[in-house]
Amino acid sequence: DGGITQSPKYLFRKEGQNVTLSCEQNLNHDAMYWYRQDPGQGLRLIYYSQIVNDFQKGDIAEGYSVSREKKESFPLTVTSAQKNPTAFYLCASSSGGGAANVLTFGAGSRLTVL
Amino acid sequence: QKEVEQNSGPLSVPEGAIASLNCTYSDRGSQSFFWYRQYSGKSPELIMSIYSNGDKEDGRFTAQLNKASQYVSLLIRDSQPSDSATYLCAVVNAGNNRKLIWGLGTSLAVNP
Repeated sequence: DGGITQSPKYLFRKEGQNVTLSCEQNLNHDAMYWYRQDPGQGLRLIYYSQIVNDFQKGDIAEGYSVSREKKESFPLTVTSAQKNPTAFYLCASSSGGGAANVLTFGAGSRLTVL
Repeated sequence: QKEVEQNSGPLSVPEGAIASLNCTYSDRGSQSFFWYRQYSGKSPELIMSIYSNGDKEDGRFTAQLNKASQYVSLLIRDSQPSDSATYLCAVVNAGNNRKLIWGLGTSLAVNP
């Protein structure tokens, strides 16, 4: 079945550590996105990529980094510079053209900083 | 004024009733509108998309768009307890590099 796989589902991090969240899709979608969701704040865009080897900052990119070396993969690194990283992280993808903003989401990764 | 606004709820309806969820948006040039459902602790899933004024029906769900009044609504007929979730409205903002702008969601509780 086609879909988006995020891992790990739960992750605990000590302060000062970098962590990488994995996102893999087999939908053959061109565009991929990372969102962060906090209670009462809705979905906020961290980074997005519309094509391999290219990505753009979203609204809250500080303290995060991404890469897009393959069409299927869009990993997100939460660096120690991110001051409040505890959140629910959602990876999404979309095809191009008229369906450009119809997003398919992965199951999410919940990061907790200890 | 927020770009996409929804009542946070909770909206509580009895089983079998019609649930009406509303969303207003600020960018008059917006062309694409989406409703996503999100169960607690899970990721959002697309329920409906609508691009033209009027109604669009899909099973028990009807999306209504009124661009002149800048609102989009979602009606759920014959509400079931399994419809209890948060419903997110998302709008493609024509004036902001066609970014998808999200509302904060409306929590719906369907009581048996």
